[in-house]
Formats: sequence, structure tokens, C-alpha cells
Amino acid sequence: AQKVTQAQTEISVVEKEDVTLDCVYETRDTTYYLFWYKQPPSGELVFLIRRNSFDEQNEISGRYSWNFQKSTSSFNFTITASQVVDSAVYFCALSEGMNNDMRFGAGTRLTVKP
Amino acid sequence: GAVVSQHPSWVICKSGTSVKIECRSLDFQATTMFWYRQFPKQSLMLMATSNEGSKATYEQGVEKDKFLINHASLTLSTLTVTSAHPEDSSFYICSARDGANTGELFFGEGSRLTVL
Repeated sequence: AQKVTQAQTEISVVEKEDVTLDCVYETRDTTYYLFWYKQPPSGELVFLIRRNSFDEQNEISGRYSWNFQKSTSSFNFTITASQVVDSAVYFCALSEGMNNDMRFGAGTRLTVKP
Repeated sequence: GAVVSQHPSWVICKSGTSVKIECRSLDFQATTMFWYRQFPKQSLMLMATSNEGSKATYEQGVEKDKFLINHASLTLSTLTVTSAHPEDSSFYICSARDGANTGELFFGEGSRLTVL
């Protein structure tokens, strides 16, 4: 069964600092998908990125970047120059195959202080 | 983008009553829907997978007689919490898979249930 580990329960940084959220996954499938979601206090999940197992290219989207390394089964998420609005809980998730369910990590609560 | 709507957004009920939560895919047909539960400061835990026209598949430890799931159409799945108790108070989130197109998964806004 798939498993997602987010070892960092809570992280607190000061605005403008860079911060990396770690995600380590386990799966026996060769085809799988990795995701990151942001959950602000309102509760709604905000989709950030999806990456399939055959695409190890790192991705950058504005202040966000993701580092996917199959060799270490990691899919880490970095926020550059963090802002107060980045404060939220961030979840890493894994789906084995496109048609299967999604399993979430425990989440990392990020607090960005002004 | 595709939209999944949940209703109600929040509900307060008395212990012993039943509560129904709806999950609708507004602009696509959802062959599969998933129901998650999230307790405060915890992760989303998969409760069950529902496929249109068939019985839901429940995760281990989830009581199927307590959490009734119906997926009667390609755009609607419902979760009924029967004889709710305070320990059922939680945030319930559904997701729907756009099976006809990309197979992508879209999440609803969530429903917060408080049982008094």
C-alpha cells in the first residue's frame, strides 16, 4: 500500500525566508502521481501541483518550486521569499495510477510571521 | 477548471439524528467519488470509494452502516451519517474523478459537521 510521510509537523519562518517542506513516499507501483495541496484555515484544499512518476523534471511556478527525486522517493516543496499569506497546512499526496484513490501525508503546518 | 460542490458547508445537529452531505460534480461526469474525513489538526483519511451505480468500498475501520454512501448518478454522491454522535464531528471532504477526460481528481469545499 502506498504511504506518504511528511516528517515536519510544524514550521515557523519569518517573512522573506525560504522554506522547504519535505515529502517522502512509498509505493510498489511504477506508475504513480504525486501532489501537493494547500489547506488554508477555511478548509478548502487548493491544488498546487501534480507530477507523474515518469516526469522527474523539477518545476518552478513563481515563488514555488518542487524537487522530485525518485532515487530518494522524495517530492519536496520549496517556497522562496515566503509571505504571510503562505501560512497554511500543506499536504503531500500520492495516487497509485490515475484511477485510484489519493492518500495524504500528515501535513505540515507552515506559519509565516511578519 | 472543473468544479465539485459540497452541500451543506457546515451543519450542526443533535446527537442521534442523521445528516446527509451532498457532493456534486458541476461540469463533468464523475465515475468515481471519494469521501475523506479530517479531524482537527489531522490529515485527510479516506473513508470510502464510490462508483456510480455500485456499492461503495469502505476503508478498514469505517462502519458502512453508519456512513451510508450513495452514488446514484454520474454527478452526485451522498454521504449520510446515521445516528450521529459527537465523535462524528469532523470535516468531511469529497473528491470526484473526471473519468471521461483527464482522470483528474477534484475536491469539494468540504462540509463541517458538529454533533451536539
